[in-house]
Amino acid sequence: SQQGEEDPQALSIQEGENATMNCSYKTSINNLQWYRQNSGRGLVHLILIRSNEREKHSGRLRVTLDTSKKSSSLLITASRAADTASYFCAASDFNKFYFGSGTKLNVKP
Amino acid sequence: SAVISQKPSRDICQRGTSLTIQCQVDSQVTMMFWYRQQPGQSLTLIATANQGSEATYESGFVIDKFPISRPNLTFSTLTVSNMSPEDSSIYLCSVEDVGTSGFYNEQFFGPGTRLTVL
Repeated sequence: SQQGEEDPQALSIQEGENATMNCSYKTSINNLQWYRQNSGRGLVHLILIRSNEREKHSGRLRVTLDTSKKSSSLLITASRAADTASYFCAASDFNKFYFGSGTKLNVKP
Repeated sequence: SAVISQKPSRDICQRGTSLTIQCQVDSQVTMMFWYRQQPGQSLTLIATANQGSEATYESGFVIDKFPISRPNLTFSTLTVSNMSPEDSSIYLCSVEDVGTSGFYNEQFFGPGTRLTVL
């Protein structure tokens, strides 16, 4: 399977703390995208990082990409209770998207 | 970026029946995708639907079970046929479009259809 792995599978933190989620993939990629999914809902696109980029920021989000290790990380700084959701990475190889297994983040108020 | 709607948002169906899910996009897009997300799991691609051609199905998914229509550049349907409880999932459609990165290849998702088969 080309699907990626994410760790941790679940993460529970206090509001205000930072949350780091990691994603590994198997294929060569054109870009990697991160999504958030609130319980039972559709996916919300968070950020896209291209294969020639190493780091990208968007608000409280910081994404890194290491193509040599086929891995990416998503950092959410100063977390809020509203950040509670599942987070998925999706690696794109021009033709398809390969989704990671997801990290369930719980931010306690 | 594209805005996507799906109908129905949820449904409860009896074993052996079929359900057609509609996906509407507010702009013309070339490629539309259908995914399945089983409870507590990640997303699995069912098929890619391009306008004017047959859908391309992923391994483990067949046209007889999941027929797809793509009559124009803004609309697609997925039918889940002869349903069994194992088909209980969230079904999501998605499209590729230019997003905030300015890069054509961001994938945007509809809100999903939650299907329960009894």
